[in-house]
Amino acid sequence: AQSVTQPDIHITVSEGASLELRCNYSYGATPYLFWYVQSPGQGLQLLLKYFSGDTLVQGIKGFEAEFKRSQSSFNLRKPSVHWSDAAEYFCAVGSNDYKLSFGAGTTVTVRA
Amino acid sequence: GAVVSQHPSWVICKSGTSVKIECRSLDFQATTMFWYRQFPKQSLMLMATSNEGSKATYEQGVEKDKFLINHASLTLSTLTVTSAHPEDSSFYICSGGPGAPNQPQHFGDGTRLSIL
Repeated sequence: AQSVTQPDIHITVSEGASLELRCNYSYGATPYLFWYVQSPGQGLQLLLKYFSGDTLVQGIKGFEAEFKRSQSSFNLRKPSVHWSDAAEYFCAVGSNDYKLSFGAGTTVTVRA
Repeated sequence: GAVVSQHPSWVICKSGTSVKIECRSLDFQATTMFWYRQFPKQSLMLMATSNEGSKATYEQGVEKDKFLINHASLTLSTLTVTSAHPEDSSFYICSGGPGAPNQPQHFGDGTRLSIL
């Protein structure tokens, strides 16, 4: 069975600084990997996805993620955060039965 | 992009009543929809997989008689919490997609259910 670990429960970053959120996955085959963002009281919005090909994927809102098979990682990055990036971020791995397994999430706080 | 509409966004009701939550795919056909439950400050827990025209598949530990799922069309799935009790209070989120693993799921905005 697949699983996802997000080691950082909470990250605080200054506005304008860079951000990196860690994600490690466990899956026996080629993974389908996703990053979603959730604002308080809202559903999830897809930031980016990886299925195959270029291991550096670009997403919306200036986010990017790099798939590293050797490290079983799919870390999310943003060069310069904005106050509106404060939210909960979830990494997820998808399986062939279309189910998603989510990590525990990382709360991002942006300070002025 | 693909849009999933979930309704209602917030509901408060008395213990013992049943509550129905709707999940609609507005601009695509969702052969498969999923229902999740999310506790405060926690991740999403998959409750069940809803397949159009067939019975839902429930995850281990989820009571199928408590959480009734109907997926009568390619654009609508409903979750009914029957005889709701305070412990059923939670944030429920649905998602849908075309049903291929390399296609992302699209999420509704969730329903905050509060049982008094």
